[in-house]
Amino acid sequence: DGGITQSPKYLFRKEGQNVTLSCEQNLNHDAMYWYRQDPGQGLRLIYYSQIVNDFQKGDIAEGYSVSREKKESFPLTVTSAQKNPTAFYLCASSTNLVSEGAFGQGTRLTVV
Amino acid sequence: GENVEQHPSTLSVQEGDSAVIKCTYSDSASNYFPWYKQELGKRPQLIIDIRSNVGEKKDQRIAVTLNKTAKHFSLHITETQPEDSAVYFCAASGAGGGNKLTFGTGTQLKVEL
Repeated sequence: DGGITQSPKYLFRKEGQNVTLSCEQNLNHDAMYWYRQDPGQGLRLIYYSQIVNDFQKGDIAEGYSVSREKKESFPLTVTSAQKNPTAFYLCASSTNLVSEGAFGQGTRLTVV
Repeated sequence: GENVEQHPSTLSVQEGDSAVIKCTYSDSASNYFPWYKQELGKRPQLIIDIRSNVGEKKDQRIAVTLNKTAKHFSLHITETQPEDSAVYFCAASGAGGGNKLTFGTGTQLKVEL
């Protein structure tokens, strides 16, 4: 439900590995976002994209990379440069008008 | 950029009482203020929102008020029930910030029987 699908739900990463989190939406939304949520904390913006082939850094972009080759898809790569990647990652999308975001169900990433 | 502060971080109320969560924002150009409810391990769900041309909005037991002059907005939950227990987030956005949402740090609400 909600039209935004994140996969996988759980992901384990070995230290030094890059991993990619998938986010797909069928809501025809122009804007897509990635947030990181740590236990007991709020949502911090990693990257966002308001149009295909364009994206901007959020507040905590270091160690992450994204691409926006299609309107429906906004994958997030957690690189080995991200020293503390264990967190709950949420993808969201919205129209480019000022409006609420619809969230995916989240991916819980754990470094092992 | 926008900065949103949210208080309190935890709130415990008795079933049937009211709960109030307050947020302040820094960017006077922000004009959209949603509230989300997040249950453990799940995605945030929009519960109510308000735009800057409105001072108050109500939906059954939930209401939101906005004071643009003071740059603060509040969530009011009346007749609380155990299923209201969750983390609540406020957020603010506007064209000045590229329409992206800036979130508060969340309030853990616990409704006790």
